Parts: sequence; structure tokens; C-alpha cells
Amino acid sequence: AQSVSQHNHHVILSEAASLELGCNYSYGGTVNLFWYVQYPGQHLQLLLKYFSGDPLVKGIKGFEAEFIKSKFSFNLRKPSVQWSDTAEYFCAVGLPSDMRFGAGTRLTVKP
Amino acid sequence: KAGVTQTPRYLIKTRGQQVTLSCSPISGHRSVSWYQQTPGQGLQFLFEYFSETQRNKGNFPGRFSGRQFSNSRSEMNVSTLELGDSALYLCASSFFSSGQGGETQYFGPGTRLLVL
Repeated sequence: AQSVSQHNHHVILSEAASLELGCNYSYGGTVNLFWYVQYPGQHLQLLLKYFSGDPLVKGIKGFEAEFIKSKFSFNLRKPSVQWSDTAEYFCAVGLPSDMRFGAGTRLTVKP
Repeated sequence: KAGVTQTPRYLIKTRGQQVTLSCSPISGHRSVSWYQQTPGQGLQFLFEYFSETQRNKGNFPGRFSGRQFSNSRSEMNVSTLELGDSALYLCASSFFSSGQGGETQYFGPGTRLLVL
């Protein structure tokens, strides 16, 4: 069955630390890949997406993600986090006529 | 463009009742998807509508249904509410663009349903 795995449920970092959130999926066909963010009290927002081309994708607010096809991974990175990055992050895989989300990773950035 | 709007934002119902939630997609978007978000199960896909037709359906009981109108607005209905139906119900609209690399969903703020 197709699934999306986010390895970390809760990550706690200090400001200026580097961030990497893992995401793996199990689907053999062509997929579209997304990272969404949900800030406290706000709705889901698209951070970045990958459909094709350069496997290193840059998104909003300094986030980037790298698609590694051989590892079925799409990890999210940010070189230096800020307190305002505190939120829940969801990896998602777009399948034909379907969308599967990971369980989410809660990021807490301490000032 | 205005974003995805959902009404109502909050709803309290009792077991056994039925509820209808509404979603207005971004202008020009013809696809509308519905999701249920709970702390225990995370985000789960309910169904997707495109041009008034259900294109795909998740693994939810028949008490959950939906429809889409000719103006792309969508409603979802839950009949015979159960306590476990308490959740945030999210609507997302999408537009396919080959120039932008495919289809991207834009989410509304959600309707928070509490079943007592």
C-alpha cells in the first residue's frame, strides 16, 4: 500500500540551528511531492513542491527539499531556523487522483 | 485571488445528527478535495470532485458523502454523527497547469466539528 513516512514526530531546535526533516514514500510510479506547513492556529500552506526537473527544490521562507529517487525520499531542509518556524510540517505525495500525507512533524524552535 | 473559503468555521452537533459543510474553491479551480484531520489519525483523504463528478474516494464509511455544483463549490455531508467524527475538515482546491508542473492543492482554513 502506498504510504508516506515522516521519521520524526517532534523536533526541538534552538534558533539558528540547521533543520532536516525526513520523508520517505512507498510508491513505484511517478509522483508529485509536497511539503506543507501549518503554523499554530493557521491553515495548511504550501512550502514547496516537486514535479520534475532539478531534484533540489527551493520554497518559501528559506526552505528547500531534495528529491532522491533511489531512496524514495524528499527531505526538507533549512540552514538556520527561526522561532517563527515553530509549526507542524507535513510531507505529501500526489498520486493520480489521490493525495497521501505523512503524520506530520512538530517543530519547536526555542528562542 | 481570494483563497479557499469554508463555512461554517466551527460547528457543534450531537450524536445521531447530520451536518453539511461547504467549500468555495479558488476561482478557476475545478477540483475540490476533502480531508479529515484528527490528532490520532492525522490527515486523511475523504474524496475528490472534479467537474461535478466524484473522481476518487478514500476509505471512509458511506455516512460521509459529498457533491460538487456547476460553479465548483462543494459540500460534504456526514449523517448519523458519531463522537469519532469530531475533527477538522479541510477542503482543498486545485488547478492543473502543465506550465507550472502539474496540480497543486490550496487548502482552506477548515471547519472544526465537535460531536457531543
